[in-house]
Amino acid sequence: ETGVTQSPTHLIKTRGQQVTLRCSSQSGHNTVSWYQQALGQGPQFIFQYYREEENGRGNFPPRFSGLQFPNYSSELNVNALELDDSALYLCASSLATSNSGANVLTFGAGSRLTVL
Amino acid sequence: GQNIDQPTEMTATEGAIVQINCTYQTSGFNGLFWYQQHAGEAPTFLSYNVLDGLEEKGRFSSFLSRSKGYSYLLLKELQMKDSASYLCAFMDSNYQLIWGAGTKLIIKP
Repeated sequence: ETGVTQSPTHLIKTRGQQVTLRCSSQSGHNTVSWYQQALGQGPQFIFQYYREEENGRGNFPPRFSGLQFPNYSSELNVNALELDDSALYLCASSLATSNSGANVLTFGAGSRLTVL
Repeated sequence: GQNIDQPTEMTATEGAIVQINCTYQTSGFNGLFWYQQHAGEAPTFLSYNVLDGLEEKGRFSSFLSRSKGYSYLLLKELQMKDSASYLCAFMDSNYQLIWGAGTKLIIKP
C-alpha cells in the first residue's frame, strides 16, 4: 500500500501571495487532516475533511481553506500569506468508521513553506 | 482549558533506558498517542493508550494514568537511530488531537 504523499516538498513565497499544497491519502483511508508545525513545536490542527466536507477546524483564520476530492486526496490553500505562515505543513490520513473514535494518523513528509 | 506539556530535550546513552514524561489537562479525553519524528521527516505512530496501565511493544512501552493526567514513553536498549523528537498528543472530546511541542531525544555513544 502507498503511504501519504505531499507536494511540493519545499516552496518559497512572498507576503500577500497565495499557495496551494496537495496531499494524496494512504490507500483505503477516507479522512484527511492538515497540520501546521513551526520549528521546534508540535503540530497545530488546521482542519479535517471527511467525505469531502470539513468536519473539524482548529484556531486558524478563514484564509486557510481546503478541499477533499472524491478520491480522498486533498488540498490546503492559504491566501494573503504572512511571514508567520512559514512552517512545515503536514497532511495526515486515517480511516474513520461509524463505530470508531480514535484513529491512528498516517502522516506525509510535509511541505515546507517559507514566506519572505 | 486544555494543555499538554513534555520536556523540551533529553539526553541518554546508547544501550540505556529513558523515560519521556507527558502531562495533560482536558475535560474530555479519548486517548493519548505517542509519535516519533526524525528531523525533516513525517511523524510516525508509536503507541495509543486509552485505558490506564502499561502497553508494551518491543523496546518501547507507554503508560497512562487518566486520573493524574500523565503518560510516559519508555525506551529500552537505546540505539543511535532512536535519536528523534517524541511527540505526545491527547484526543479531546471532539476527537481532535492536541499535541505537545515534542521532546528532542539525543543519544550519545
